[in-house]
Amino acid sequence: QVQLVQSGAEVKKPGASVKVSCKASGYTFTKYLIHWVRQAPGQGPEWMGVIHPNGGSTLYAQKFQGRVTMARDTSTSIIYMELNSLRSEDTAVYYCAREGAERAVPNKRFDYWGQGTLVTVSS
Amino acid sequence: QSALTQPASVSGSPGQSIAISCTGTSSDVGGYDYVSWYQQHPGKAPKLMIYDVNKRPSGVSDRFSGSKSGNTASLTISGLQAEDEADYYCSSYTSNNPPWVFGGGTKLTVL
Repeated sequence: QVQLVQSGAEVKKPGASVKVSCKASGYTFTKYLIHWVRQAPGQGPEWMGVIHPNGGSTLYAQKFQGRVTMARDTSTSIIYMELNSLRSEDTAVYYCAREGAERAVPNKRFDYWGQGTLVTVSS
Repeated sequence: QSALTQPASVSGSPGQSIAISCTGTSSDVGGYDYVSWYQQHPGKAPKLMIYDVNKRPSGVSDRFSGSKSGNTASLTISGLQAEDEADYYCSSYTSNNPPWVFGGGTKLTVL
């Protein structure tokens, strides 16, 4: 079965960086886009970016350009999301989510989600 | 502030029907049939309930349905059950960056 398993909770100080991982299993890793979505306490989700595991191409939300990096390791089927220059407003649960595909064409819906990783930014 | 506007809360009694609205613009909800709805229980990841405005993934109850008119999409839940109590979020593909936007969420209470 499809599973996305994320790394554990992190506590960081302002200005630091955090790297969250997302291990995929149960499907062909290179055939599906992986998105990162975050959700601050009591708020709606916010899209951060997407990576194509086949080739590693990325697209980031303008808001995070220059501060976020997404990468993948095809040998271990792991996707990484690193966010730099952390501030208190970055405190949120970070999710990886798979975009489904039909006949190799992405279908614009997030069909599987990781369990989430709480990142707390506090001095 | 979320890009898509949803009511903060709705409520209904078991067996009743409720609808949750999601208002965007012609650049997102009104411009594409890529509206999705997600259910989220406390402390859990979102679960896809509706995609492409009105389609249900395998395994989702047919009590859940979706529709769209202009820049507003709607999720309807009929025959409310206790386990439907959760937060619901709409999402839409957009012509801008970011290419996906979400609503602020609606808390459904089953009385």
